[in-house]
Amino acid sequence: EDQVTQSPEALRLQEGESSSLNCSYTVSGLRGLFWYRQDPGKGPEFLFTLYSAGEEKEKERLKATLTKKESFLHITAPKPEDSATYLCAVRHAGNNRKLIWGLGTSLAVNP
Amino acid sequence: GAGVSQTPSNKVTEKGKYVELRCDPISGHTALYWYRQSLGQGPEFLIYFQGTGAADDSGLPNDRFFAVRPEGSVSTLKIQRTERGDSAVYLCASSLDGVSSTQYFGPGTRLTVL
Repeated sequence: EDQVTQSPEALRLQEGESSSLNCSYTVSGLRGLFWYRQDPGKGPEFLFTLYSAGEEKEKERLKATLTKKESFLHITAPKPEDSATYLCAVRHAGNNRKLIWGLGTSLAVNP
Repeated sequence: GAGVSQTPSNKVTEKGKYVELRCDPISGHTALYWYRQSLGQGPEFLIYFQGTGAADDSGLPNDRFFAVRPEGSVSTLKIQRTERGDSAVYLCASSLDGVSSTQYFGPGTRLTVL
């Protein structure tokens, strides 16, 4: 069954304490893995798209990496404003019109 | 440029009533998606439009839900005979095309059915 699993469900960090969020997937023929950030009461905000194993993308304190089975979102020296829910979604060859979503990781960064 | 906009931002209605939720996509985006999101969950796919036509409506939960996009731009999600279980945030997203490009989301409409 096509599935996306994110871990941990929730993560609490101190400001400056680096960590990683995980998104593991089991789909046939990956056609893109997407990371979004969602603040309370708002729609998901696009962060990154990764297409092939070994690919990496960076934006400010965030870095996304991709292997054949999972993606990591690395957060370096996080700040309180990085607090949000981070969602992962994949598009696959079986149905490239739909995204399969994980449940998200809720990140809280304490000052 | 302007992002995806959705109106209203909040809608409170009574069980059994009819509601319409509007989505205005990014200009030039041919693909439009409707999702539903409950607390602590990822977005749940409802329907996908390519241009004016619904290319995939397999996520609509039942025949009380219907969506249109008559001119290939603005879309309206219509819910008849609302039920308390319909309460959720309804998200709209658009993308340049429907196959490979990134989906950009609006702020959502929070629907509460009393």
